Amino acid sequence: QKEVEQNSGPLSVPEGAIASLNCTYSDRGSQSFFWYRQYSGKSPELIMFIYSNGDKEDGRFTAQLNKASQYVSLLIRDSQPSDSATYLCAVKGRDNRLAFGKGNQVVVIP
Amino acid sequence: DGGITQSPKYLFRKEGQNVTLSCEQNLNHDAMYWYRQDPGQGLRLIYYSQIVNDFQKGDIAEGYSVSREKKESFPLTVTSAQKNPTAFYLCASTLAGGGGGNQPQHFGDGTRLSIL
Repeated sequence: QKEVEQNSGPLSVPEGAIASLNCTYSDRGSQSFFWYRQYSGKSPELIMFIYSNGDKEDGRFTAQLNKASQYVSLLIRDSQPSDSATYLCAVKGRDNRLAFGKGNQVVVIP
Repeated sequence: DGGITQSPKYLFRKEGQNVTLSCEQNLNHDAMYWYRQDPGQGLRLIYYSQIVNDFQKGDIAEGYSVSREKKESFPLTVTSAQKNPTAFYLCASTLAGGGGGNQPQHFGDGTRLSIL
């Protein structure tokens, strides 16, 4: 069974700082990687996806993928109070199924 | 507007009762999924379907059943055999129906199920 591990939180960051989230996965055959944001009591919403090694930037978000080391990370620059949420890492294997980590709670302190 | 609609938003189940959660999508997506989320936990896959009239068990299928008679609909029944049904249930869909593919899954708003 595929495993996706996210380091334990919560992560508290001052407003305007960088929040860094990490995720490791066990299935070396995994092909695509996703970060979802989930506000309390709401459903997950997709914020980033990455398929190739390296960095991918979208606004204040940067996803980083290193398949050799089997980790994917998410950076949130210029953190805002609206970024306070739980961030879920999800990894898709060749069976087209997603495996989710337990999530990292981020708290942005004004 | 295109999207995934889950209903009801809140549902209560009595002892020994089966309940059905609805999931409808108008995105013309091929694959649909049901997940369960418990407090402080990630999402666990219950069932998924990649084409009409076909579905597969996920990691925690016991006590649940599904059907996929139409492309846009994938209802989930929580049976009386599921002894701990209290959770947040999420339906998702994605464009790619076959194995592989990089299409992300998008989620409905969820159904919160509790036992009376």
